[in-house]
Amino acid sequence: EDQVTQSPEALRLQEGESSSLNCSYTVSGLRGLFWYRQDPGKGPEFLFTLYSAGEEKEKERLKATLTKKESFLHITAPKPEDSATYLCAVQDPRNAGGTSYGKLTFGQGTILTVHP
Amino acid sequence: NAGVTQTPKFQVLKTGQSMTLQCAQDMNHEYMSWYRQDPGMGLRLIHYSVGAGITDQGEVPNGYNVSRSTTEDFPLRLLSAAPSQTSVYFCASSRDSSTNEKLFFGSGTQLSVL
Repeated sequence: EDQVTQSPEALRLQEGESSSLNCSYTVSGLRGLFWYRQDPGKGPEFLFTLYSAGEEKEKERLKATLTKKESFLHITAPKPEDSATYLCAVQDPRNAGGTSYGKLTFGQGTILTVHP
Repeated sequence: NAGVTQTPKFQVLKTGQSMTLQCAQDMNHEYMSWYRQDPGMGLRLIHYSVGAGITDQGEVPNGYNVSRSTTEDFPLRLLSAAPSQTSVYFCASSRDSSTNEKLFFGSGTQLSVL
């Protein structure tokens, strides 16, 4: 069974204090790893997709990296507006059923709080 | 563009009642899905659709029905609500059915079953 584990469950940072969030997965034959941001009372919002080990993507203060077993979301000099829950998900084409669709398996998320 | 619209935003039901959660998207997306989100559990897929007239079960389908008569709409029906169905429900869509890249989520429906 595919497993996605995110750590830590919660992270509190001071504004400007850089850190990283971790997403480890056990699915083999990974088709894609996704990062989403979720604000309280709202639906998740897409951030990045990573497809192969060694790939990196950046958006403002966020950088996502991927290895064969885990992904990191690095947050550089965070601001209070970066406070949110960050979700990781993996796509395994073996869960496609009768179509080419690959089911997403989500981690439980990391709640990030950035204090001014 | 409205994106993915879910209604209602909040709902309280009594055990045994039925109801329909509405979901509509105006992006002409082929793929639509329903997730539930529970504390510490992550998002779990209930049902999905790869096009009008085509639906399939996800990870936790029991107690829920779906249909897809148009590209735009994908309602989720609770047949006989149970306290275990207390959760936050999200509808999501993407451009096509070959990948889940860039899922667009609605703002959610918070459901309480007493």
